[in-house]
Amino acid sequence: GQNIDQPTEMTATEGAIVQINCTYQTSGFNGLFWYQQHAGEAPTFLSYNVLDGLEEKGRFSSFLSRSKGYSYLLLKELQMKDSASYLCAVTDSNYQLIWGAGTKLIIKP
Amino acid sequence: GAVVSQHPSRVICKSGTSVKIECRSLDFQATTMFWYRQFPKKSLMLMATSNEGSKATYEQGVEKDKFLINHASLTLSTLTVTSAHPEDSSFYICSARDYRGSDTEAFFGQGTRLTVV
Repeated sequence: GQNIDQPTEMTATEGAIVQINCTYQTSGFNGLFWYQQHAGEAPTFLSYNVLDGLEEKGRFSSFLSRSKGYSYLLLKELQMKDSASYLCAVTDSNYQLIWGAGTKLIIKP
Repeated sequence: GAVVSQHPSRVICKSGTSVKIECRSLDFQATTMFWYRQFPKKSLMLMATSNEGSKATYEQGVEKDKFLINHASLTLSTLTVTSAHPEDSSFYICSARDYRGSDTEAFFGQGTRLTVV
């Protein structure tokens, strides 16, 4: 079956750095997405990785290792507004998005 | 990025009535649109995939006669919840992708909060 694992909840301090991991087992791979979702709102796009390596975009970076079926989202200089759920999603061989359950990130002052 | 507009954002309806939710891609042609349902504190659950001009493909366990999906044009897909019941109350989200381009990012609508009373 297809499976995406990410931690259920994480807590971090304002101004700090946090890494949210995601491991996947899917039938084929055509890219990995990270989305941010605030409560009651639709997800918003953060990053897309299809090749191995690190993609940096401002305070957020995303890493991918296809051989390990592993990705992480790195958030730097955390702000209170970063409190949200972070969803990892993989596009399989049929270009279907397979979603992880999401990681709820709690930022404390 | 591209814009997907979903309407309405909130709707309250009586049991037994039908509700239509619209999803429009405003500045690109969406060859494929997806409809998701999300329960509180849960991840997105794919309900169905629709390709323009063809019938939608429903995920296992989703009643196609209850959740009618129409993707009549490259910019509009609709989800109609027929004979709604309180258990249909949920957050419904559409997303759209244009496979003809190199960008495979999924663009999301704002979501629709449906409450059936």
